[in-house]
Amino acid sequence: KNEVEQSPQNLTAQEGEFITINCSYSVGISALHWLQQHPGGGIVSLFMLSSGKKKHGRLIATINIQEKHSSLHITASHPRDSAVYICAVFKTSYDKVIFGPGTSLSVIP
Amino acid sequence: EPEVTQTPSHQVTQMGQEVILRCVPISNHLYFYWYRQILGQKVEFLVSFYNNEISEKSEIFDDQFSVERPDGSNFTLKIRSTKLEDSAMYFCASGGQGPTFGSGTQLSVL
Repeated sequence: KNEVEQSPQNLTAQEGEFITINCSYSVGISALHWLQQHPGGGIVSLFMLSSGKKKHGRLIATINIQEKHSSLHITASHPRDSAVYICAVFKTSYDKVIFGPGTSLSVIP
Repeated sequence: EPEVTQTPSHQVTQMGQEVILRCVPISNHLYFYWYRQILGQKVEFLVSFYNNEISEKSEIFDDQFSVERPDGSNFTLKIRSTKLEDSAMYFCASGGQGPTFGSGTQLSVL
């Protein structure tokens, strides 16, 4: 069993839809990281969370430490949101990072 | 906005050759990382570096690999005697939790 899992694996949405991507993990963590990987391969940090909720523009990330679960929400989705979204956890040793398999999002006009 | 710079963007090498991938982290960052992503697979952690030494490494990071911070600005990943399966995108990142990623070096081993 993978230590970090994401669902769904692939997601197609119509422009304007509300999108949720889920991440669950089975190890103790010090923080969780949401990343966006563009079609060209570049990786951008979106959020770093250790508790609660963070919001940046149309993106919202939440984490429930007790349930070992995090969600990334995108409101009013747009075709430029099309990318792979990756959840990564920092284990309690701080440096060790485990990446999820990614969720491939395609937003259709 | 500060950036992490990686060079070269593409590297083609023959199997058995040594390659050095270069990274210029953000200047006031103290933690540095190397990750790799084989085509179609998830990103994998290779190594973290702090205070001029390796702080953590994965099972992938064996004796074939080494990292250095030869001066105050560069952070390098050396792969000795490259194998076909070393072909991947290699990402450097710097910062603490919430690191900034470089744009990657695509390594192709022929």
